[in-house]
Amino acid sequence: EIVLTQSPGTLSLSPGERATLSCRASQSVNYRYLGWYQQKPGQAPRLLIYDASRRATGIPDRFSASGSGTDFTLTISRLEPEDFAVYYCQQYGTSPWAFGQGTKVEIK
Amino acid sequence: EEQMVESGGGLVQPGGSLRLSCVGSGFRFSGYWMNWVRQAPGKGLEWVANIKKDESEKFYVDSVKGRFTISRDNAKNTLYLQMNSLRVEDTAVYYCATEGGVAGGHSAFDIWGQGTMVMVSS
Repeated sequence: EIVLTQSPGTLSLSPGERATLSCRASQSVNYRYLGWYQQKPGQAPRLLIYDASRRATGIPDRFSASGSGTDFTLTISRLEPEDFAVYYCQQYGTSPWAFGQGTKVEIK
Repeated sequence: EEQMVESGGGLVQPGGSLRLSCVGSGFRFSGYWMNWVRQAPGKGLEWVANIKKDESEKFYVDSVKGRFTISRDNAKNTLYLQMNSLRVEDTAVYYCATEGGVAGGHSAFDIWGQGTMVMVSS
């Protein structure tokens, strides 16, 4: 099974700054079937990115993502107050599907 | 509006059973793979199981194999998770989620329910 490792565990930044989140897979992710989700306290996760780099419907263009094989990155170009949350990567290319452990983006 | 609504959570003793339900609306429920994902208190997301649109394929995380059963009733737009032999470590919020892939293939989870809490405790 594929294990996803996210880094850093916590990212302390100020509004307006750039956030770069990493997701590394223990094996190559087939078809670049990797997604990124945002979760705020008490809420269900929300899909941001699918297929490694495609923004989901309604997601602002300050969110971008890239990567292939085993290394993937989510970038938030300029943090807005509503972007402070936990972010998860997930692979859906090889069963069993798996999530990373999450990166918390907190206000510095 | 596309939405999914879970129900059936609650408090159960170790070794007990629960059946979760998830009703979808606003989209073609029968056309997609469906999933259950859980989140233990203060922890990250864990994929639990998924089921193909016609029920011909089902997959589970190792920790629930032989204890949990995923099923669906497309006529009722409803997804189920039968949970037997529950353990304390199954305590979590359980979410249903849709893989909104083109032509019913695999995809990221684009529609999520609000979650239902399952607590396993004596």
